[in-house]
Amino acid sequence: AAGVIQSPRHLIKEKRETATLKCYPIPRHDTVYWYQQGPGQDPQFLISFYEKMQSDKGSIPDRFSAQQFSDYHSELNMSSLELGDSALYFCASSKDRSNSPLHFGNGTRLTVT
Amino acid sequence: GQSLEQPSEVTAVEGAIVQINCTYQTSGFYGLSWYQQHDGGAPTFLSYNALDGLEETGRFSSFLSRSDSYGYLLLQELQMKDSASYFCAVPNNNAGNMLTFGGGTRLMVKP
Repeated sequence: AAGVIQSPRHLIKEKRETATLKCYPIPRHDTVYWYQQGPGQDPQFLISFYEKMQSDKGSIPDRFSAQQFSDYHSELNMSSLELGDSALYFCASSKDRSNSPLHFGNGTRLTVT
Repeated sequence: GQSLEQPSEVTAVEGAIVQINCTYQTSGFYGLSWYQQHDGGAPTFLSYNALDGLEETGRFSSFLSRSDSYGYLLLQELQMKDSASYFCAVPNNNAGNMLTFGGGTRLMVKP
């Protein structure tokens, strides 16, 4: 079965650089979510999209932005990177917004040096 | 806001039964989910309870008591591969699956 695909798997950037993370949701899933997980921490919700429109916003810094494209893939753009942005970034998708299980991708591990 | 409390760590032996508890405080309640995450891996959905009672899925069961704002995940016939972190999670509203996760319980299964 198709899963959520994220790229790249690993990314190393320097402080103040920018990064773009990509996510391809499961086909026919209409909702995409981005989560950030620091070492030893629980996933923190960043932002979500329903049918290509932003639907919910969590603890996403102003330096970050995201969008969902016509083919349903989503990108998380991160600028002016800080050391504290080093984390695992997960994308997840669900069939709909009403308590359907979230299917997570394998994540992008971002390291900021 | 939402907050969830669960034990940080639990240890058990292969073949045993273990229960991971979760208490929550929410401004509205829209169900309790459980996710499993192996080190360096993605969270994987295990179970969801919207109503009081027990939901069984193979070796895993999940229980909910809305009056007590409490739930638990029960793992039976533990296997070494069950060593992972387990998160309880609640949606922030009824119009989406914007989940707030608990801090996670690290389960170590020993031979």
